[in-house]
Amino acid sequence: RKEVEQDPGPFNVPEGATVAFNCTYSNSASQSFFWYRQDCRKEPKLLMSVYSSGNEDGRFTAQLNRASQYISLLIRDSKLSDSATYLCVGDSNYQLIWGAGTKLIIKP
Amino acid sequence: ETGVTQTPRHLVMGMTNKKSLKCEQHLGHNAMYWYKQSAKKPLELMFVYNFKEQTENNSVPSRFSPECPNSSHLFLHLHTLQPEDSALYLCASSPTRGRYTEAFFGQGTRLTVV
Repeated sequence: RKEVEQDPGPFNVPEGATVAFNCTYSNSASQSFFWYRQDCRKEPKLLMSVYSSGNEDGRFTAQLNRASQYISLLIRDSKLSDSATYLCVGDSNYQLIWGAGTKLIIKP
Repeated sequence: ETGVTQTPRHLVMGMTNKKSLKCEQHLGHNAMYWYKQSAKKPLELMFVYNFKEQTENNSVPSRFSPECPNSSHLFLHLHTLQPEDSALYLCASSPTRGRYTEAFFGQGTRLTVV
């Protein structure tokens, strides 16, 4: 079983819609979680950290469910510029373990 | 302005060549990393340096040789690579190695081995 697993997509979503991704992790001892965004042929960039209490940044909301060992990312009122690959990251033994990413395509 | 700079951005090399990738960070971080990213695969951690000391080598073949002369610079020396080594090589840094710390990436070197 992969340590961090994501649906690769692509998710094809109309502009203005709400989209949600989940990511599961296998190491119950993991403490830190992040969502990164990676544009085509670019480097990953931090989108947001994921806290136990959940956190929101504008149109983006991240949640952590420790009981079921998954984290989620919700994007409201999606924009064309949200098209990217979203990488889920968790820590394991002080290393960051990366998911393979979920590709999101926002269509006009 | 990018806090982590990688050169070159693109590299094509033959299997008998020797080349080096360079990474420089201007963020005052103490940990630096080399990652390999192949199409549709998760980022693969290759090497970790913390305060200039190598702390991780994730079973990387010896044809990849890292060097960290100081906390700001990281090199990846390449020799006798294979076509399957073609990938995007990303350098990253973080304030420390450990939990609760995000990684900042350079723009990567896209390597093609012919």
